[in-house]
Amino acid sequence: GAVVSQHPSWVICKSGTSVKIECRSLDFQATTMFWYRQFPKQSLMLMATSNEGSKATYEQGVEKDKFLINHASLTLSTLTVTSAHPEDSSFYICSAPTPGSGQYFGPGTRLTVT
Amino acid sequence: DAKTTQPTSMDCAEGRAANLPCNHSTISGNEYVYWYRQIHSQGPQYIIHGLKNNETNEMASLIITEDRKSSTLILPHATLRDTAVYYCIVRALGNTDKLIFGTGTRLQVFP
Repeated sequence: GAVVSQHPSWVICKSGTSVKIECRSLDFQATTMFWYRQFPKQSLMLMATSNEGSKATYEQGVEKDKFLINHASLTLSTLTVTSAHPEDSSFYICSAPTPGSGQYFGPGTRLTVT
Repeated sequence: DAKTTQPTSMDCAEGRAANLPCNHSTISGNEYVYWYRQIHSQGPQYIIHGLKNNETNEMASLIITEDRKSSTLILPHATLRDTAVYYCIVRALGNTDKLIFGTGTRLQVFP
């Protein structure tokens, strides 16, 4: 099946710094990718839709200036958490749809802000 | 997208069939039923999807009632590695449609 990778798999950063998370579709092209956030013992919450070559679409309540999304190519989307704070500590997951099949998810990135 | 209702948790003995129900009484005619699962600390994994006919693949079977208001995901021979949260999602078929996750069913397979 299709493969989606994320990098890094985990990251620890200090409060106030920025962190970039990459999401790649390894064997298919994705004009659209999705970014989710998941807190412990909770379900996935959709943050934004990443569109290749255009601006991302953010879900209600998600700060677009804090969570910067760039989809510069058909195989790469990046999520940058700017000025991270401890409450941004979470599990971030990306996904990409494939034609005629379900969406494929990355393995996730665990962010810890100290 | 139609709303789904799933039990919060279920247990299943290893080697037995796990039957996970999902209610989607407001499903529309063009909406498919998708199943995903998430093993702890991993990204969700696509399992199967269907419109109205029963579907089977190497992972599971999907049984959809004739009125399409409910469905059951069947893992025919559950293993310990099937312990995960299973999500039933209903949405229209589209290459770029976003997925909205509910709370899912936490399946615990025990020895």
